[in-house]
Amino acid sequence: SQTIHQWPATLVQPVGSPLSLECTVEGTSNPNLYWYRQAAGRGLQLLFYSVGIGQISSEVPQNLSASRPQDRQFILSSKKLLLSDSGFYLCAWSVRGGANTGELFFGEGSRLTVL
Amino acid sequence: QKEVEQNSGPLSVPEGAIASLNCTYSDRVSQSFFWYRQYSGKSPELIMSIYSNGDKEDGRFTAQLNKASQYVSLLIRDSQPSDSATYLCAVTGTGRRALTFGSGTRLQVQP
Repeated sequence: SQTIHQWPATLVQPVGSPLSLECTVEGTSNPNLYWYRQAAGRGLQLLFYSVGIGQISSEVPQNLSASRPQDRQFILSSKKLLLSDSGFYLCAWSVRGGANTGELFFGEGSRLTVL
Repeated sequence: QKEVEQNSGPLSVPEGAIASLNCTYSDRVSQSFFWYRQYSGKSPELIMSIYSNGDKEDGRFTAQLNKASQYVSLLIRDSQPSDSATYLCAVTGTGRRALTFGSGTRLQVQP
């Protein structure tokens, strides 16, 4: 069966510090991968999605970046965090192609607080 | 206008009642529709998908889609306190590679 792991689960970082969140998927090949952010009491905002190694699409301008160095690994990074980067970050995967791309499977999430 | 709109709630229903959650979307070319459930502090989980007009039933859940009205709903029969959560509507379609989520409706089932 497929599983998705995301870490760290929680972190508190000072403004201006770097960030690295990692996500790995097991039990499937060639998945679509996604990073979403959820601010407190808000919906999910798509940050990045990837349909393959090295292929990253950014949905919103920001100081975050994403990379996909391996088929089942997705990394979210920042060189300098802002207060507005606080939130609940969710990695997700879906099968590639067809209507099933909307069937997302989420990791446990990473709760980031920037102080 | 938001692409996917939901009433934020809370929607409060007594245990055993039918909970009705509604969602409207703005993009007429949207083709696939999903309902996710998110418990407080947890990540969302998929509970229903619907791709064509009409009703789709899965246990106590029924999804309803009306593309002409750009409207999708989720009915939960025999609501239980364990159904208390935020329900997220999500939409995708041609030319869009990822889901667009609504902000969610918080459901409270009162014992």
